Amino acid sequence: DAGITQSPRHKVTETGTPVTLRCHQTENHRYMYWYRQDPGHGLRLIHYSYGVKDTDKGEVSDGYSVSRSKTEDFLLTLESATSSQTSVYFCAISEADRGSGEQYFGPGTRLTVT
Amino acid sequence: GDSVTQMEGPVTLSEEAFLTINCTYTATGYPSLFWYVQYPGEGLQLLLKATKADDKGSNKGFEATYRKETTSFHLEKGSVQVSDSAVYFCALSQQGAQKLVFGQGTRLTINP
Repeated sequence: DAGITQSPRHKVTETGTPVTLRCHQTENHRYMYWYRQDPGHGLRLIHYSYGVKDTDKGEVSDGYSVSRSKTEDFLLTLESATSSQTSVYFCAISEADRGSGEQYFGPGTRLTVT
Repeated sequence: GDSVTQMEGPVTLSEEAFLTINCTYTATGYPSLFWYVQYPGEGLQLLLKATKADDKGSNKGFEATYRKETTSFHLEKGSVQVSDSAVYFCALSQQGAQKLVFGQGTRLTINP
């Protein structure tokens, strides 16, 4: 298995509070991604990173920000959590420009916003 | 833009039945194709892949063949087990691209 960990694995928070999710990899892959998974919507890309301090938006980036100060860590921040951000969040890594484009996923973080 | 369409689920089969989950795609050029599996409470795992036309990916008894002429990548298994119960996702990636395009997923339940 690819060395990807996510923390926390579960979190319950209140509307309006800031939340930061962490993704850590030991594979030294250049690309990292944040997805959310919701019933009826499959997987949707929030943000991705193609290097340290290089990030770009995905299809559902509103209300989320990211940071990558080290190759191994990619942080997802909800500045002011809303109930619509209750979801399961997955991090993924890839060597997209050297491999055939496959991504490897972390175990997920279940976030509940009350 | 590129897209992936999977057969709608849920799919319920008995143990030892033959499995087919259909996947078709719309894309320019020659994308790589993937099947991922997600077991309950876990992240997605890469099940198999194919990178060019007529390639067959295989793993754990599952197979899928990259059919350029029909733009398809159907997942098959000859004899399913209860432990195969999961959600299966078909996906594609363009050469040099940074993103995967996923289908909606197909939930598979195998009854003993």
